[in-house]
Amino acid sequence: GQQVMQIPQYQHVQEGEDFTTYCNSSTTLSNIQWYKQRPGGHPVFLIQLVKSGEVKKQKRLTFQFGEAKKNSSLHITATQTTDVGTYFCAGPNTGFQKLVFGTGTRLLVSP
Amino acid sequence: EAGVAQSPRYKIIEKRQSVAFWCNPISGHATLYWYQQILGQGPKLLIQFQNNGVVDDSQLPKDRFSAERLKGVDSTLKIQPAKLEDSAVYLCASSLVGTAGHVNEQYFGPGTRLTVT
Repeated sequence: GQQVMQIPQYQHVQEGEDFTTYCNSSTTLSNIQWYKQRPGGHPVFLIQLVKSGEVKKQKRLTFQFGEAKKNSSLHITATQTTDVGTYFCAGPNTGFQKLVFGTGTRLLVSP
Repeated sequence: EAGVAQSPRYKIIEKRQSVAFWCNPISGHATLYWYQQILGQGPKLLIQFQNNGVVDDSQLPKDRFSAERLKGVDSTLKIQPAKLEDSAVYLCASSLVGTAGHVNEQYFGPGTRLTVT
């Protein structure tokens, strides 16, 4: 079945450093979504990318959808302690109206 | 706008007992999802409803799990009998109906943390 993998699994940075997580799907995606889950919390929708090569920014967060629509990345510039959490990408399962979530990248930011 | 409501927030049961979770989605969201999230993993879809019909339940362990959404609004997820490996957070989410190949953003409830001893 469709698999969505993320790397790294875990990253620990000092506040102010940059952070990037990469998402790779085994199949071509019509769109990709990103969610953030704070420790002890629930996933919260961040953004959706639809077009090949699309780049979207939200303040310090930059999201990119690959040209082949099989990969995506999330880059955080100058991390802050509020960025702590696990970041998940998710893409629609081929032929179905459901999302397949990636394995997630857990980010820890030290002050 | 009220978010997705779930109850209870926490539940501890012994193996072989039964448990039920309740979810009230965002008003107007026809699609409702139940996910299981094991510690350190991403959410895994158990069942998806559109209105009161099941869209996908391919990953629902039907020998012990059941779910219903009788009036197309609230939903309940039941486990009977529970096993140790069912210990997880059960998340309910809702969304507007998507089109072919396009899934709308999902809004998650706070989840129910289940511990089976």
